[in-house]
Amino acid sequence: KAGVTQTPRYLIKTRGQQVTLSCSPISGHRSVSWYQQTPGQGLQFLFEYFSETQRNKGNFPGRFSGRQFSNSRSEMNVSTLELGDSALYLCASSEGQGVSPLHFGNGTRLTVT
Amino acid sequence: AQRVTQPEKLLSVFKGAPVELKCNYSYSGSPELFWYVQYSRQRLQLLLRHISRESIKGFTADLNKGETSFHLKKPFAQEEDSAMYYCALNSGTYKYIFGTGTRLKVLA
Repeated sequence: KAGVTQTPRYLIKTRGQQVTLSCSPISGHRSVSWYQQTPGQGLQFLFEYFSETQRNKGNFPGRFSGRQFSNSRSEMNVSTLELGDSALYLCASSEGQGVSPLHFGNGTRLTVT
Repeated sequence: AQRVTQPEKLLSVFKGAPVELKCNYSYSGSPELFWYVQYSRQRLQLLLRHISRESIKGFTADLNKGETSFHLKKPFAQEEDSAMYYCALNSGTYKYIFGTGTRLKVLA
């Protein structure tokens, strides 16, 4: 099976712009979750989707949003970018039933200048 | 609040020496604990989960509910074990809480 695919791999944006990141899960996985990874904070949970429904959300401002499509692909959007949004954004998929292990993508490296 | 603490940012050991990566958690219920590993230039991947009670690549981890710990151990470190290790907790609310990670360096 193909692994979790995230696009693009790298993004450079300026403050105030918005950005959309994409994630294609492993075939058959219905849950997609997003994490922000920074050197000092480690992995911080953003949100989780299952069958197009957001089941949980982390402590991030409303500028961070996401959605999931009927084919389980997911997108994450960040509006009004700030310098502090520079990070590696990781997507992970899982079967979504009960507590199932996460399968991670390679991430999208976002740099905000 | 749910929290996972990995007190060591960096752990250096010599090849053949025992390894213990510490993980403590705070959660009042019965969590599921995991260890994830990221080797150089590879994606983050599952190493082991406590309910499996199995040894992966020689690593084991025992959940100690009294001490709220889930330390990762290996009796004899190998150079290929050098990686970033993350302890993670899942409380059944569809999210994982990760520690800040420990970088393990195995010296020749």
